[in-house]
Amino acid sequence: EAGVTQFPSHSVIEKGQTVTLRCDPISGHDNLYWYRRVMGKEIKFLLHFVKESKQDESGMPNNRFLAERTGGTYSTLKVQPAELEDSGVYFCASSHLTWFQETQYFGPGTRLLVL
Amino acid sequence: GQQLNQSPQSMFIQEGEDVSMNCTSSSIFNTWLWYKQDPGEGPVLLIALYKAGELTSNGRLTAQFGITRKDSFLNISASIPSDVGIYFCAGPPMNYGGSQGNLIFGKGTKLSVKP
Repeated sequence: EAGVTQFPSHSVIEKGQTVTLRCDPISGHDNLYWYRRVMGKEIKFLLHFVKESKQDESGMPNNRFLAERTGGTYSTLKVQPAELEDSGVYFCASSHLTWFQETQYFGPGTRLLVL
Repeated sequence: GQQLNQSPQSMFIQEGEDVSMNCTSSSIFNTWLWYKQDPGEGPVLLIALYKAGELTSNGRLTAQFGITRKDSFLNISASIPSDVGIYFCAGPPMNYGGSQGNLIFGKGTKLSVKP
């Protein structure tokens, strides 16, 4: 079974540009999460989809970030316009929808550097 | 909000040595998770703890859910070079009840093993 995949693995952009990150969850997983780790800090939650609906977007930093999950399959996270502080590793995770103790499986991350 | 404090921040040990790291919080967690991140990869779940006082092993790894529900430790016995990586503790915020939902992470313990 394929794991969570993310594209691209690395992205280097200039301040003010737009970047779109993609996440493909494990097939059949209804829950999809986005997290971010700024260098040296903890991994921080950004948002949670259940199928195509946003269950919790309390971690989204500001309105420059837009996440979508059309059709409840893959998800995209767009940053527009990018700022220097957006640099970090963006992780996607997915889990099967169960009522208790579902395990989140993480993708390898997208390393974003904004210059 | 709830925070997890991990220590130590980094460890340099000799192959064969035992390792101990811990995670504390000023507030209660109902679930404690330990993840490991290999270089260039995403976090992988090592051990999940669901009951106060629970002691769980996974090969050379042992983790305990503190009786106060405010701490957890992870021990690695007889370390080997492939134990190198960043170890994170994590847990769901209280308002998520039994479901993992979004996760709160510690800042990680970076482990280096000298052959």
